[in-house]
Amino acid sequence: EPEVTQTPSHQVTQMGQEVILRCVPISNHLYFYWYRQILGQKVEFLVSFYNNEISEKSEIFDDQFSVERPDGSNFTLKIRSTKLEDSAMYFCASSASASIQYFGAGTRLSVL
Amino acid sequence: GEDVEQSLFLSVREGDSSVINCTYTDSSSTYLYWYKQEPGAGLQLLTYIFSNMDMKQDQRLTVLLNKKDKHLSLRIADTQTGDSAIYFCAERGRGGGADGLTFGKGTHLIIQP
Repeated sequence: EPEVTQTPSHQVTQMGQEVILRCVPISNHLYFYWYRQILGQKVEFLVSFYNNEISEKSEIFDDQFSVERPDGSNFTLKIRSTKLEDSAMYFCASSASASIQYFGAGTRLSVL
Repeated sequence: GEDVEQSLFLSVREGDSSVINCTYTDSSSTYLYWYKQEPGAGLQLLTYIFSNMDMKQDQRLTVLLNKKDKHLSLRIADTQTGDSAIYFCAERGRGGGADGLTFGKGTHLIIQP
């Protein structure tokens, strides 16, 4: 069964460093998403991406964040200068029709 | 803004039915979802219901939607130890385009032998 793949599973970084989280969506999907889940809190929407541009973004998705689809298969989330409060589980999701989203296993980001 | 609320814990005996409840505030929700998260794993889509439906059944899972009360429930029949997980309710509004989902905090389902 096709699935969304995220790498790495765990990323440790120093405060102020840039990180790139990677996702390979399901191959025929057109819509791509990033969410985050701070420990003990809700899963929160960050951004959606369709037709090579950002479709929607939440208040969390400020100038420190960017997304890119550098080739036909990868979808990345970049955090320019990480802060302690960026520590969270980051989930990528993809969808064929924007109705049903399929999630990856997540990348745990630890900012020290 | 939109909000989704769930109880944090539910404890049931193996073999009994589990009913996980969720309330939401967005009256324009088009789809409502149940996701399951096992320890160390991602969010697995269990089932979903379109807002013009009242009920959806899929094997051991029954979803009930009360639009008037903005209440969604997930019933798991004959609960097994493998059902032990966190269950997230989520909704998608009618904003159009690639809307993000709004999630509840998740209900930890604990199975007693």
